[in-house]
Amino acid sequence: DTAVSQTPKYLVTQMGNDKSIKCEQNLGHDTMYWYKQDSKKFLKIMFSYNNKELIINETVPNRFSPKSPDKAHLNLHINSLELGDSAVYFCASSRTGGSDNEQFFGPGTRLTVL
Amino acid sequence: GEDVEQSLFLSVREGDSSVINCTYTDSSSTYLYWYKQEPGAGLQLLTYIFSNMDMKQDQRLTVLLNKKDKHLSLRIADTQTGDSAIYFCALGGGSSYKLIFGSGTRLLVRP
Repeated sequence: DTAVSQTPKYLVTQMGNDKSIKCEQNLGHDTMYWYKQDSKKFLKIMFSYNNKELIINETVPNRFSPKSPDKAHLNLHINSLELGDSAVYFCASSRTGGSDNEQFFGPGTRLTVL
Repeated sequence: GEDVEQSLFLSVREGDSSVINCTYTDSSSTYLYWYKQEPGAGLQLLTYIFSNMDMKQDQRLTVLLNKKDKHLSLRIADTQTGDSAIYFCALGGGSSYKLIFGSGTRLLVRP
């Protein structure tokens, strides 16, 4: 009965590699998000998709590419990983955007780049 | 751009009240949220308040909003050790899909 799930939970990789993080929600929500939480716990939005359409694209390097195959899934692919990409990445979803914006978060993926 | 600030750390004794504060610069937000993050976990929505309200009470939680001073607070009554976590305020609503998060306040409850 997991609402928002992410895989993997932990990801350790070498600099320069390419990796993907997957996110799925079974809440029937239309909007999904990726957030990055740095070592100081600061949380910042990266991307948002509404009905498979990209609606938020913050200042994020081109090495990060989100993909939404359907409303229930939002994956994050990262090329040429750098040390500074080490962080916890959270996926979230909400019923819709706009005023009613309660977001449900996944458990996070801790990415460590060596 | 939006700026949302919180104090970094708060320590209270079990059974006391905790007050976590948040100040912000953007007054156009229609919803103001409080999220809780326990160690190694994602964020969990605790409560929220509409921008046209001054106060909202939900069991042990009381949210106060001072729109003039752009100040939001979360009061936890009878704080328990299980309340130890990081608390984030977040601003959202209107036509924006974004939530803007504060830097988080780490609450430590001492037995």
